[in-house]
Amino acid sequence: RKEVEQDPGPFNVPEGATVAFNCTYSNSASQSFFWYRQDCRKEPKLLMSVYSSGNEDGRFTAQLNRASQYISLLIRDSKLSDSATYLCVVNRGSYGGSQGNLIFGKGTKLSVKP
Amino acid sequence: NAGVTQTPKFRVLKTGQSMTLLCAQDMNHEYMYWYRQDPGMGLRLIHYSVGEGTTAKGEVPDGYNVSRLKKQNFLLGLESAAPSQTSVYFCASSYSLGQGDTEAFFGQGTRLTVV
Repeated sequence: RKEVEQDPGPFNVPEGATVAFNCTYSNSASQSFFWYRQDCRKEPKLLMSVYSSGNEDGRFTAQLNRASQYISLLIRDSKLSDSATYLCVVNRGSYGGSQGNLIFGKGTKLSVKP
Repeated sequence: NAGVTQTPKFRVLKTGQSMTLLCAQDMNHEYMYWYRQDPGMGLRLIHYSVGEGTTAKGEVPDGYNVSRLKKQNFLLGLESAAPSQTSVYFCASSYSLGQGDTEAFFGQGTRLTVV
């Protein structure tokens, strides 16, 4: 089983749609969770961190379920500019030491159409 | 603000040639990483460093070496390039990924083709 798995995609949605991305992780010791966005031929950039209590940033809502080892990202009222690949990212390690590093899912491509 | 800078941005190598990719960050980050990104494979960790003078292997370290002689620089070396190393390479840096969540900042990538 891959350490971080995401919906395969691609997701093709019309403007204004609501779209949800799911991600599961296998390492129960993982401590921090993120969603990154990557535009075509560009570097990944942080979209938002994911907290246990859930968090919202405008049209974006992230949820974490530690018991199920599941992370989600909800995008409401999709815009053309939301078209990108969304990467689920997990910090697998314990504090400090050599185990701390970020593991990326393969990403889910989103295309928002007019 | 420079952030994370990678050089070069593009390179074509012949099989068997060697090269070094340079990553420099000006944010005083402890952690630095090298990833490669291939179609359908996502970002895979090659090597990483948790501080000056330390390095560790990631998921796909074979064929690569790294050095972190200075805190701000993380070098990735290919001693004898192979076509399988054709990829886009990303460097990233962050503060310690300990208890708190910490953003990782990426360079713009290096597109390497080995022929």
